[in-house]
Amino acid sequence: ETGVTQSPTHLIKTRGQQVTLRCSSQSGHNTVSWYQQALGQGPQFIFQYYREEENGRGNFPPRFSGLQFPNYSSELNVNALELDDSALYLCASSLAAGGGTDTQYFGPGTRLTVL
Amino acid sequence: SQQGEEDPQALSIQEGENATMNCSYKTSINNLQWYRQNSGRGLVHLILIRSNEREKHSGRLRVTLDTSKKSSSLLITASRAADTASYFCATGPNAGGTSYGKLTFGQGTILTVHP
Repeated sequence: ETGVTQSPTHLIKTRGQQVTLRCSSQSGHNTVSWYQQALGQGPQFIFQYYREEENGRGNFPPRFSGLQFPNYSSELNVNALELDDSALYLCASSLAAGGGTDTQYFGPGTRLTVL
Repeated sequence: SQQGEEDPQALSIQEGENATMNCSYKTSINNLQWYRQNSGRGLVHLILIRSNEREKHSGRLRVTLDTSKKSSSLLITASRAADTASYFCATGPNAGGTSYGKLTFGQGTILTVHP
């Protein structure tokens, strides 16, 4: 167990709806990254938050947004859901951006299904 | 987009045999990591090798890195049924301090170890 938790475990939404996924980082970690993993694929980097500020973004549209809170927990919000958003969403925490180790500690993921 | 390509896509072996998985990548890297994923759950970090290292060991794992060929291999010795999982390589970009944690994953190798 990594100490990173995510909620909910599973979620079913319909196209056009909005969804919020939550992540609680491992104690002491101030950086959180979110990844999307489609079935049969490797994870793809969505964005990273460091000390409550977005610190880089992958090739995802603006309807994917996030927040990091003072206790370093995080949210991923997706608006106007599309069928292709169906995936496993993983958050990963690490000790520090900018000079820290790159080792990521992943949560168990949230399985999102869009109908 | 996926940075790495992994080979083979699937590997089936008997308990006690060695398993070798290969990963190739395209751009300059700071480090390369290997992760394991059981049945679509969260990823578990196995080992990290930095761009100035050529070989690293951890228990039954041996990782090599050849930056001139932009390739890495993961060897699992004396495999066990419990090693059955998907294995992913992930590269950390060589783009300065703010790039930490923004990993680019390959598509993975599915390893099945038969008892």
